[in-house]
Amino acid sequence: GENVEQHPSTLSVQEGDSAVIKCTYSDSASNYFPWYKQELGKGPQLIIDIRSNVGEKKDQRIAVTLNKTAKHFSLHITETQPEDSAVYFCAAGNFGNEKLTFGTGTRLTIIP
Amino acid sequence: NAGVTQTPKFQVLKTGQSMTLQCAQDMNHNSMYWYRQDPGMGLRLIYYSASEGTTDKGEVPNGYNVSRLNKREFSLRLESAAPSQTSVYFCASRAGQGNSPLHFGNGTRLTVT
Repeated sequence: GENVEQHPSTLSVQEGDSAVIKCTYSDSASNYFPWYKQELGKGPQLIIDIRSNVGEKKDQRIAVTLNKTAKHFSLHITETQPEDSAVYFCAAGNFGNEKLTFGTGTRLTIIP
Repeated sequence: NAGVTQTPKFQVLKTGQSMTLQCAQDMNHNSMYWYRQDPGMGLRLIYYSASEGTTDKGEVPNGYNVSRLNKREFSLRLESAAPSQTSVYFCASRAGQGNSPLHFGNGTRLTVT
């Protein structure tokens, strides 16, 4: 089955700086890579996703890059703000398979 | 539009007791899921239901049963709770395609003593 590794497990950055979280996956059949943000006491919420037919996707301050050859994908947050503090999860899945496999999460702290 | 609603929010059980976690979604989604979240282990799939009337095991199904009551509701039952089942449980749903986003509820925090 799919195995997703996520690094780092914790990350602290100064407000206004950029944050990068990286994930690797094992199943070359995976073609869908979402990122979720989880705030304290709430369920994870999708913030951005990418499909394997594109290499990069941006949404305002958030971007995701995908390298299918190396089987890794990354989340980039620019101009970080205090409200970006949360736990972030990556995941991998593929069309026709009901299962999404999640990484172990990154606790991001933005230092004012 | 509530999305995915889970009840209860918190529960404490003694070892051996049983209980059912309830989940309902109002987005007309076909697929529903139960995950557990433990520190350092991310989200692990317990059971899922790809459509009304079907259920399948996920990564960690032992000690759990599920029922897809109708298209809206998907319940998770612990028949004889164990301390190892202390966790935060999340229900999720999605439209049904394998690459469509999951929508999560706010979780049930379960402690088994």
